[in-house]
Amino acid sequence: DAGVIQSPRHEVTEMGQEVTLRCKPISGHDYLFWYRQTMMRGLELLIYFNNNVPIDDSGMPEDRFSAKMPNASFSNLKIQPSEPRDSAVYFCASSLGGFTEAFFGQGTRLTVV
Amino acid sequence: DAKTTQPNSMESNEEEPVHLPCNHSTISGTDYIHWYRQLPSQGPEYVIHGLTSNVNNRMASLAIAEDRKSSTLILHRATLRDAAVYYCILRDVGGGSNYKLTFGKGTLLTVNP
Repeated sequence: DAGVIQSPRHEVTEMGQEVTLRCKPISGHDYLFWYRQTMMRGLELLIYFNNNVPIDDSGMPEDRFSAKMPNASFSNLKIQPSEPRDSAVYFCASSLGGFTEAFFGQGTRLTVV
Repeated sequence: DAKTTQPNSMESNEEEPVHLPCNHSTISGTDYIHWYRQLPSQGPEYVIHGLTSNVNNRMASLAIAEDRKSSTLILHRATLRDAAVYYCILRDVGGGSNYKLTFGKGTLLTVNP
């Protein structure tokens, strides 16, 4: 398996634009996690899914952020409208079972100008 | 979430053993101790986990105190590639929202040639 695949790797957008980050988990994994990493706040868990259903979205910073998992092979994280403070590296991870090791993607570096 | 405490940074020399400590005095009976590391410009990667007994794998060893209030990640021969931030994380096997994988600040390990 190619591992967790995130796209794009880098995204630069203007404030106010909609941004969509994509994640393809490892085939067969039933848990998917979205994280955001900044120097100030470290790695923050935004939301996680089990069998495509959101389980805990308490880390989503505000209503501008939304995440969906329409099927077992794909998830997206949308920010609308984007703001400069959303600039961060966003990681997606998946695992087989909620408790086993999580495999992380390479991340998407988002810059909002 | 049960909290862990790690030193902010540590240094080691190449080919010498490294002992990375973690304190978790509020650990509960159902908390597993997980270690992840994050190499520069990459997503976190799983290292090892354990409950009560010491654990060994290809990457490292995990030594868990008898009272489980602390643990030590042991890299037997550090290489330059082991320079990373190491995270000690407690995960409850209770399920539901306890499947969160919550990262603290971790320990930045520098390996000197």
